[in-house]
Amino acid sequence: KNQVEQSPQSLIILEGKNCTLQCNYTVSPFSNLRWYKQDTGRGPVSLTIMTFSENTKSNGRYTATLDADTKQSSLHITASQLSDSASYICVVSTTDSWGKLQFGAGTQVVVTP
Amino acid sequence: EAQVTQNPRYLITVTGKKLTVTCSQNMNHEYMSWYRQDPGLGLRQIYYSMNVEVTDKGDVPEGYKVSRKEKRNFPLILESPSPNQTSLYFCASSPRSGGFTYEQYFGPGTRLTVT
Repeated sequence: KNQVEQSPQSLIILEGKNCTLQCNYTVSPFSNLRWYKQDTGRGPVSLTIMTFSENTKSNGRYTATLDADTKQSSLHITASQLSDSASYICVVSTTDSWGKLQFGAGTQVVVTP
Repeated sequence: EAQVTQNPRYLITVTGKKLTVTCSQNMNHEYMSWYRQDPGLGLRQIYYSMNVEVTDKGDVPEGYKVSRKEKRNFPLILESPSPNQTSLYFCASSPRSGGFTYEQYFGPGTRLTVT
């Protein structure tokens, strides 16, 4: 069973609108959580990295939140643009296995004009 | 330019024919890792290396081998490829391992088809 669950699997939004993606994880002991953006056929690119003590982190129009108590994270995209069409992947790492990363299956976002 | 390179980018091969996918980084990173990506399953970690001569299994290591003789290179070896290894493969590197908050840089990917 995947220890990192993302929802929704996919969504379509109109250009200029906002959207929020969810990530729930059961991985422990928690070290950090990352959000990546992956364009079709290309390697993922890091958006944010958050540790246990961080509740929110922004990167331009992308804002990630983390609730380590409930083991939930969200990625909010503000004023979406066509270039935001991509897969967004949540990744969690633990403190007892420094090299292993647990990936969510991703949320496919399509921004339409 | 700081980057992770993979070769080849595309490969079609037949079952049982040994192949190597190379990965190289020019950022002096300690940590390197291999992933495969399949539709509906997302990225899954195959092997990772914390430093030269230090490698460890990820979630799906069966059928793969790796070596880390030099810091910059981390080749992925398929001794006897099978059709279920048809996938998109990514190599990545980071200054240190994922347990630390360093950004991980991904290569462009290698699309492998085994017939």
